[in-house]
Amino acid sequence: GEDVEQSLFLSVREGDSSVINCTYTDSSSTYLYWYKQEPGAGLQLLTYIFSNMDMKQDQRLTVLLNKKDKHLSLRIADTQTGDSAIYFCAESPSSGYALNFGKGTSLLVTP
Amino acid sequence: EPEVTQTPSHQVTQMGQEVILRCVPISNHLYFYWYRQILGQKVEFLVSFYNNEISEKSEIFDDQFSVERPDGSNFTLKIRSTKLEDSAMYFCASSHVGGLNTEAFFGQGTRLTVV
Repeated sequence: GEDVEQSLFLSVREGDSSVINCTYTDSSSTYLYWYKQEPGAGLQLLTYIFSNMDMKQDQRLTVLLNKKDKHLSLRIADTQTGDSAIYFCAESPSSGYALNFGKGTSLLVTP
Repeated sequence: EPEVTQTPSHQVTQMGQEVILRCVPISNHLYFYWYRQILGQKVEFLVSFYNNEISEKSEIFDDQFSVERPDGSNFTLKIRSTKLEDSAMYFCASSHVGGLNTEAFFGQGTRLTVV
């Protein structure tokens, strides 16, 4: 599939907001996803956004989608040490079941 | 909470050997998937499986790979003759339905090291 790009590393202080960015290249993607992977665990679906939406909020999580620029972001408010993990952006293809993932952004939250 | 379980968590094998990676999907799920992540690279789709047959596969999933649902609970990935470049983390996933807005539940992964 076409490449989904993410920055590899982000460090924030506890209590600050974190913003993880992602760019994708498949304009026909219908859904875009954020997955979280904690150490030793599987990929956990955090949230997803439909491509006709600009924003989706779910408690501390805010997803922003700029379809014109093919840019997706995940904002975590009041970041906690338990939020330290790898965050994967993924896009759905126009057909089929295969998700197209980025390489993941490793978020480190320091006290 | 139901979860996808994978065994073993880490497997070391010699080049040329066959390996079978095992997964127990969530019990009422109907769609099953394998993905892999080579160290430092992105998570890549390998194959999806529904109704006892492959529904979609990627270019990576060549003749060396096969999947099977040998009984009502297990879903396996077999690599017939492993190569060094098969070293990766392999993730199994399952979902209740297929389609674009499906929530796929992932296992914790099996780290395969080919030496």
